[in-house]
Amino acid sequence: RKEVEQDPGPFNVPEGATVAFNCTYSNSASQSFFWYRQDCRKEPKLLMSVYSSGNEDGRFTAQLNRASQYISLLIRDSKLSDSATYLCVVNPGGGNYQLIWGAGTKLIIKP
Amino acid sequence: DAGVIQSPRHEVTEMGQEVTLRCKPISGHNSLFWYRQTMMRGLELLIYFNNNVPIDDSGMPEDRFSAKMPNASFSTLKIQPSEPRDSAVYFCASTLGQTNQPQHFGDGTRLSIL
Repeated sequence: RKEVEQDPGPFNVPEGATVAFNCTYSNSASQSFFWYRQDCRKEPKLLMSVYSSGNEDGRFTAQLNRASQYISLLIRDSKLSDSATYLCVVNPGGGNYQLIWGAGTKLIIKP
Repeated sequence: DAGVIQSPRHEVTEMGQEVTLRCKPISGHNSLFWYRQTMMRGLELLIYFNNNVPIDDSGMPEDRFSAKMPNASFSTLKIQPSEPRDSAVYFCASTLGQTNQPQHFGDGTRLSIL
C-alpha cells in the first residue's frame, strides 16, 4: 500500500461545477498535511495547508479526518484556471522534515 | 521576497558529460530538498539537508549523483557521468525545517541528456 494514495483522474468537470478529491494516508502518526497544485511543466505550488478543524480559502475547502486517515479538497464554482494536477502531501512526523507526496489527481475544467 | 532560485533553467548535454545543478534556498530556511520528476515515476526525493548537513540521501539513484551544501545559501547537485535516463526535471525546495511548514519550490531545471 502506498503511503499517500490519490485517484489519478483525470476528473473532467464543467466550468462552474463543484469538485472534490480525497486522499488517504497510511501513517496514523502523520502530523501535517498540505495540498499543492502543479501546472503542466511547472513546479508544485502550495495551495493550502490542512488543519484539523478544516479550513477554507475562497473557493477552496480542505478537511482532515484523522480517524479515517484521509484529507479532502473541495473546489466550488470551478474556473478554467483551476485545471491542474492536485498533489496531496503528508509530513510523517517523528521529527522528520520530509514530505510524502501523492502521485496527484489531474483536474480538467471544461468550458 | 526572493523564492528558491535554481540554475540553469534548461540544460541539454551529451551523455558522459558532467552536469551541475545549482540552488539558492529562501533566506532563513534551514532545510533543503532535491527532487527529480518524470512522467513515469512522478516526484522523487533524492536527498535533503538540514542546517547544511545531508540527512537522508537514500533517494540518490547511484554513485554518479552527488550533492553538496557548503553554506546555508547554496547547494549543488552533480551528475557525473550523465546518462540519457537521467533526463528529467530537477526541483530544489526549501523549508523552515519544522514539521508543520510546507516546502517552497524553485522553477526547476529541465535536463536532457542526449
